[in-house]
Amino acid sequence: YDLSQSPIVSVSPGQTAGISCSGDDLGDRYVSWLQQKPGQSPVLVIYQDVKRPSGIPERFSGSNSGNTATLTISGTQSMDEGDYYCQAWYGSAVVFGGGTKLTVL
Amino acid sequence: QLQVVESGGGVVRPGSSLRLSCVASGFSLSTYGMHWVRQAPGKGLEWVAAVSYDGIHELYGDSVKGRFTLSRDKSKKTMFLHMTSLSIEDTAVYYCAMDMAWQTSSGEGSGMVVWGRGTTVTVS
Repeated sequence: YDLSQSPIVSVSPGQTAGISCSGDDLGDRYVSWLQQKPGQSPVLVIYQDVKRPSGIPERFSGSNSGNTATLTISGTQSMDEGDYYCQAWYGSAVVFGGGTKLTVL
Repeated sequence: QLQVVESGGGVVRPGSSLRLSCVASGFSLSTYGMHWVRQAPGKGLEWVAAVSYDGIHELYGDSVKGRFTLSRDKSKKTMFLHMTSLSIEDTAVYYCAMDMAWQTSSGEGSGMVVWGRGTTVTVS
């Protein structure tokens, strides 16, 4: 199983960024999103489609329907730059998307 | 504070074996599901293996199935990843992650909320 993500997404500071993830019947599964900055370990920003772990800003939100899940970052800040990975279970295996590099220009 | 620390990485020859450790602090491994995730240089995240909170379900990615094995110590504070028949393609940073959502069923989704800094395995 594959989860497809656009390689690069660019956004201006203060604007809304949308990062998508596509996969077979993705809407029937829970999706998580992880942020990874250069040289750092991944950080969970969204799990079970829409939930934010403690400490994650409200500007991060998620949705999932049909074959596409979306991570939305409202009022994007320069600190939000990094790689974003979607993740879901398919059967008895965890699948990660290939990652999207978010640049804030 | 919930924390995991990986160790055991190193430089090994193809065909060698290696054992990675993941020490948990602030929680017991018998409470949460745990994963190993790796990242090859300049590449994305790749799921390696997972064990459910009760230790009953051990799951492996296709690329490591039959070569890697999970285990836990009796104190439920340390998880191990036993790696055999290592190849150059296994070169990566290996992360341990605690999952606060997944217990035993994939229907629960995942919430890999605690990650370690990783340990580097180089097969050369």
